Formats: sequence, C-alpha cells, structure tokens
Amino acid sequence: GENVEQHPSTLSVQEGDSAVIKCTYSDSASNYFPWYKQELGKRPQLIIDIRSNVGEKKDQRIAVTLNKTAKHFSLHITETQPEDSAVYFCAATLGGSQGNLIFGKGTKLSVKP
Amino acid sequence: EAGVTQFPSHSVIEKGQTVTLRCDPISGHDNLYWYRRVMGKEIKFLLHFVKESKQDESGMPNNRFLAERTGGTYSTLKVQPAELEDSGVYFCASSISGTRGEQFFGPGTRLTVL
Repeated sequence: GENVEQHPSTLSVQEGDSAVIKCTYSDSASNYFPWYKQELGKRPQLIIDIRSNVGEKKDQRIAVTLNKTAKHFSLHITETQPEDSAVYFCAATLGGSQGNLIFGKGTKLSVKP
Repeated sequence: EAGVTQFPSHSVIEKGQTVTLRCDPISGHDNLYWYRRVMGKEIKFLLHFVKESKQDESGMPNNRFLAERTGGTYSTLKVQPAELEDSGVYFCASSISGTRGEQFFGPGTRLTVL
C-alpha cells in the first residue's frame, strides 16, 4: 500500500540551531502535505502545510519545501527554541481521497537549552 | 470555539470486553476522521465520514470495529470484542466541507487492552 517514510526518528539540536526533518511519499497522486506537532500529552496540531502547486512555504521560523518529482518534502525549523521540543509528523493525502491522510512515523525533536 | 473533543481520555479493559469511544467534532465540520496510533508506529487512517455517511472505511482493521455518526454530529467507535493488538491511541479529527481542508485533531483516547 501507499506509505510515507520519515527521517530521522529522533533529532537533538542545540537551542538556536536549525532542524530539518525529511519525508518521502509513494502515492504520486498526493497533493496536500501537512505537518503536525504533538507535544507530550497533547493533541497533534497543524503547524504548516503545502499543496502540490507550490514548491516552498514559510511561516516565521518554519518552512516546508516540496519536490513533487522526487516525491519528497521537508520541514525546516530555524533558530530552534526549547518549546519546539515535540514529536513532528509529516503526512500526505491518499491519492484522490477527500483528505484521508497517510502519516510518517514521527520525529522526536529535542532542543537543548 | 470549542475544539474536537473525545471521551474517554483513557480506557483500560480486559481482552474480550467491549469499549465505545466517542468523538465530538467542531460544530459545522462535515468531515470526521478516525485514526489510530499503535505504540511507536505511525498514525494510521481508519475511516472517514462525510456528515452521517461513511465515505471511506478502508482503514478499519476488521469487523470487530464499528463506527457510527448519528445525524452527522458526534461519532462513536465501538470495539467488540477487544483484542490485545487493539491497544493504542485513537484520534478523531474533523474538517470543514470540501476536500483537503485542515484537519483538527482531538486529544485522543488511550486504549489499553489487558
């Protein structure tokens, strides 16, 4: 079946450094790619998303890039802060579905002060 | 505006028992999704409602799982009889009408089957 691969599974950075999380997807029909942040004990929250007609999107310290040819998208966090520590999930829509998402396994990001 | 709510937050049951999880989506959201995360693995799609109709239930593991959405409002997910491998966190999400809108997640129900 279709899947989304996410790397790395854990990532530790110093406060102020950048963090990059990468995902690849298998369904060439996927056209919506959200990123969710889940803090310990809390619900997943959307932090940024990108649609297939755009190559890059930025929101303050967070950016996402998409390469449809390679079926690859990445999350970039600059100037990391301790409160960025969480599990991050990438996802892609399942083909022509109305929003059904396929998730990666998550990346646990730790930002050390 | 209230977000997506789920009840209960935790449930511990014995193998063979029945459990019913409830999800209340954001008011006005026609799309309602159920997902499950088994320990250490990815969040997996279970099914999708549009109003009261099942749009896609391809992710439901087997016929021990039954989802309903009466009147297109809240939804329930019943597991009967529960098995050990059903343990995990069950998330509900909702989105507005139309396709590929932002999905808002609930806090999840942690189910433990002993």
